Amino acid sequence: GAGVSQSPSNKVTEKGKDVELRCDPISGHTALYWYRQSLGQGLEFLIYFQGNSAPDKSGLPSDRFSAERTGGSVSTLTIQRTQQEDSAVYLCASSPHGGTSYEQYFGPGTRLTVT
Amino acid sequence: RKEVEQDPGPFNVPEGATVAFNCTYSNSASQSFFWYRQDCRKEPKLLMSVYSSGNEDGRFTAQLNRASQYISLLIRDSKLSDSATYLCVVRSNFGNEKLTFGTGTRLTIIP
Repeated sequence: GAGVSQSPSNKVTEKGKDVELRCDPISGHTALYWYRQSLGQGLEFLIYFQGNSAPDKSGLPSDRFSAERTGGSVSTLTIQRTQQEDSAVYLCASSPHGGTSYEQYFGPGTRLTVT
Repeated sequence: RKEVEQDPGPFNVPEGATVAFNCTYSNSASQSFFWYRQDCRKEPKLLMSVYSSGNEDGRFTAQLNRASQYISLLIRDSKLSDSATYLCVVRSNFGNEKLTFGTGTRLTIIP
C-alpha cells in the first residue's frame, strides 16, 4: 500500500520567505509526527498530532513554526520568515495509533535550503 | 548531556564479522526503546524494538540494561547490505508520544 508521502521533496527559498511543507500519512493512521534532521545531527522532534489535535508541540523551535492537520489526514508544517538555520530535512511520520509502542513510518522528507 | 548518546563511528567492518553498538540514555523513566536504520539520504525505518529480556531477529540481537541505562545492538555475520546508520531511539514517559533519537552510528561493511 501507499506509504507516507511528503511534498515538495526539495525546496530552496530565500531568507525571510514563508514555506509550507505537506505530509500525507498512511491512510487510517491517526498519529502524525514532524521531525527535522540537520546535517550530521539526529532527528529532532517538532510536533505530534493525534487526529486533528496537537497534544505535544514542545519541539517547535520558535513561534515562526506552526503546523496543522485537517480531516485527521494531511498535515502542513509552515515556517514563516525562514532563517538559514532552518535548513534541514523535515521528516513526517505516522503510526496507527498514538503511543510509540507502535512503529512510526517515515516519509522521504522535504529537504529545505534557505539561502 | 544529550538525552540519547551514541558513538558516531564510523565503524568499518569486514563482511562476515560481528559488530556491536551501544547507546546510553539519560532519563531513567524511559519506557520504550528501538533501533532504527537509516540509509544515506533516506528516511529512517524501524529495525527492531528492544525488550527488557533482550530479543533476537535473525542476525540481529538487541539488549537493554536498565540499571546502567544502555541499549545494545549486535549484528552477526554482517552483510554488505547492513551498511547504514543505526539510530538508537527512546520514548521517555507514558503519555509523551515523542521519540528521542540518537545521532546515529555509521556502519560500513567492507567486502
